[in-house]
Amino acid sequence: GENVEQHPSTLSVQEGDSAVIKCTYSDSASNYFPWYKQELGKGPQLIIDIRSNVGEKKDQRIAVTLNKTAKHFSLHITETQPEDSAVYFCAASIHNDMRFGAGTRLTVKP
Amino acid sequence: DAGITQSPRHKVTETGTPVTLRCHQTENHRYMYWYRQDPGHGLRLIHYSYGVKDTDKGEVSDGYSVSRSKTEDFLLTLESATSSQTSVYFCAIKDNSDNEQFFGPGTRLTVL
Repeated sequence: GENVEQHPSTLSVQEGDSAVIKCTYSDSASNYFPWYKQELGKGPQLIIDIRSNVGEKKDQRIAVTLNKTAKHFSLHITETQPEDSAVYFCAASIHNDMRFGAGTRLTVKP
Repeated sequence: DAGITQSPRHKVTETGTPVTLRCHQTENHRYMYWYRQDPGHGLRLIHYSYGVKDTDKGEVSDGYSVSRSKTEDFLLTLESATSSQTSVYFCAIKDNSDNEQFFGPGTRLTVL
């Protein structure tokens, strides 16, 4: 089955700096790559996603890039703010089989 | 949480007892999922449903069963709870025409 690896497991940045989280996947048939943000005590919430026919997608301060050849995708957050502090999960999906990375705890220091 | 509720939100039980967790949606979405979340593992799929009475196994289905007798409810049952099933359980739903899964608030289960 699909295997998703996510790095780093923890990331601390200064407010205003950029944050980058990277994921790799193993199954070339995966065609949907969402990123979720999870705040303490809550369920994950989708922040951005990308499909396999697109290389890059941006939504305000958040961007995701996908390299299908290398089977990796990344989340970029620019101009980080304290409210960006949370756990972020990447995932790779084929039909109903969605596999998640282990998560990255992002801390944005004021 | 996109019209998804989970009950109970917290439960403490003893090894060997049966436990049922409930997921309820008001979105009329076709697909429903049960995941467990453990430190270092992210979320792992237990079972999912693609319609009333239609279910299939996920990555970590051993020790769990599910039922979906109506569109809005998806039940997860631990027939005989074990300490390894201590976890946070999340339900998710998905429309037929989209890839996005919407997650519920979670149920924290502790098996002593």
